[in-house]
Amino acid sequence: LAKTTQPISMDSYEGQEVNITCSHNNIATNDYITWYQQFPSQGPRFIIQGYKTKVTNEVASLFIPADRKSSTLSLPRVSLSDTAVYYCLVGSNQAGTALIFGKGTTLSVSS
Amino acid sequence: DVKVTQSSRYLVKRTGEKVFLECVQDMDHENMFWYRQDPGLGLRLIYFSYDVKMKEKGDIPEGYSVSREKKERFSLILESASTNQTSMYLCASSSTTPYEQYFGPGTRLTVT
Repeated sequence: LAKTTQPISMDSYEGQEVNITCSHNNIATNDYITWYQQFPSQGPRFIIQGYKTKVTNEVASLFIPADRKSSTLSLPRVSLSDTAVYYCLVGSNQAGTALIFGKGTTLSVSS
Repeated sequence: DVKVTQSSRYLVKRTGEKVFLECVQDMDHENMFWYRQDPGLGLRLIYFSYDVKMKEKGDIPEGYSVSREKKERFSLILESASTNQTSMYLCASSSTTPYEQYFGPGTRLTVT
């Protein structure tokens, strides 16, 4: 499973766009990139998943360059409620595969 | 709506006790997982199961065992609880594509 590296913490203000980058130099051909969000005292929540180029949903966008060695989670116009830990995961989407969570990025949004 | 429930939110046990943590999902998911989460260490996988009666060790299986007799239920067992097993325990489930996991609310276990 590919190892991921992401910043330990980030700070932002309400209304700003936040970009969290994840490095995964050893990503394999059949690996997907997935991001989770976790609020205090809750379990993680799936945000978005992608394989290449760009994926967008109602919560976030995920940008993946052609070499796939990194990815960027983009949160548009953050609010205080986006304060959470964000995890980047890389691995196969095959049945029987387990997720490996790293330490994540703690995003703090201030007013 | 997707739901994963765990038997207790908070649990206090004594060293040496046998502890059962239960997890139930109502989504007919094939895969189920047990993690523990500790400050500064993130989530670590203990065991997972991709089918009834099947189990696979995760990163930190020592001191734990699991049971999956029915598809919807996955139990984590601490055979003899120790203080270093004080932690938040999170259960999750997923369909055949394992990357979209649904997590339960967690059980905060304290072993004294």
